[in-house]
Amino acid sequence: QQPVQSPQAVILREGEDAVINCSSSKALYSVHWYRQKHGEAPVFLMILLKGGEQKGHDKISASFNEKKQQSSLYLTASQLSYSGTYFCGTWGPYNNNDMRFGAGTRLTVKP
Amino acid sequence: KAGVTQTPRYLIKTRGQQVTLSCSPISGHRSVSWYQQTPGQGLQFLFEYFSETQRNKGNFPGRFSGRQFSNSRSEMNVSTLELGDSALYLCASRPETSGGAYNEQFFGPGTRLTVL
Repeated sequence: QQPVQSPQAVILREGEDAVINCSSSKALYSVHWYRQKHGEAPVFLMILLKGGEQKGHDKISASFNEKKQQSSLYLTASQLSYSGTYFCGTWGPYNNNDMRFGAGTRLTVKP
Repeated sequence: KAGVTQTPRYLIKTRGQQVTLSCSPISGHRSVSWYQQTPGQGLQFLFEYFSETQRNKGNFPGRFSGRQFSNSRSEMNVSTLELGDSALYLCASRPETSGGAYNEQFFGPGTRLTVL
């Protein structure tokens, strides 16, 4: 019941764009995105809710397709600081009071 | 507000021993979740506590247990340690205003447990 993330890893040059995908086999209430830098705790980026509501950082954009149970995180004009591992976490009627995380997408931004 | 704190930050134990990890949530947060993070398995949910009650538990053996105190601080205990228990253990707290699906989690720095 863990969501599936793709790609597993991506390498970018500064200024390039990337898309990270998260899909679930079950219906979802919401999708959460976190970024974890090496040796640090995961940090919240965004929540996408069923019905279209979003909350999170202004510079991060994402989408949530409820019918397809998929979410995508869009990283545009990437900066070195975007490097890290991105995790999506999902909440759905199949789980109660716990989040299921994907395996993560390792993003490396090079100068 | 102070962030989520976890103690100790690093721990080395041997197989068969027992360990207790501690987590202090952000002031006002009553929900505390625990996760195990390993390179091969990613972030795996252990359990979640709210108002001193365990609300949900992940797929871990009974050797993993926890509790929450009246001040929302939480402890996690692992008995009879195995080599495979080596991992980063993260706790996360969140405000409980409208359910976990609608609130971000705030993670602590983690406790790095090494079992020899």
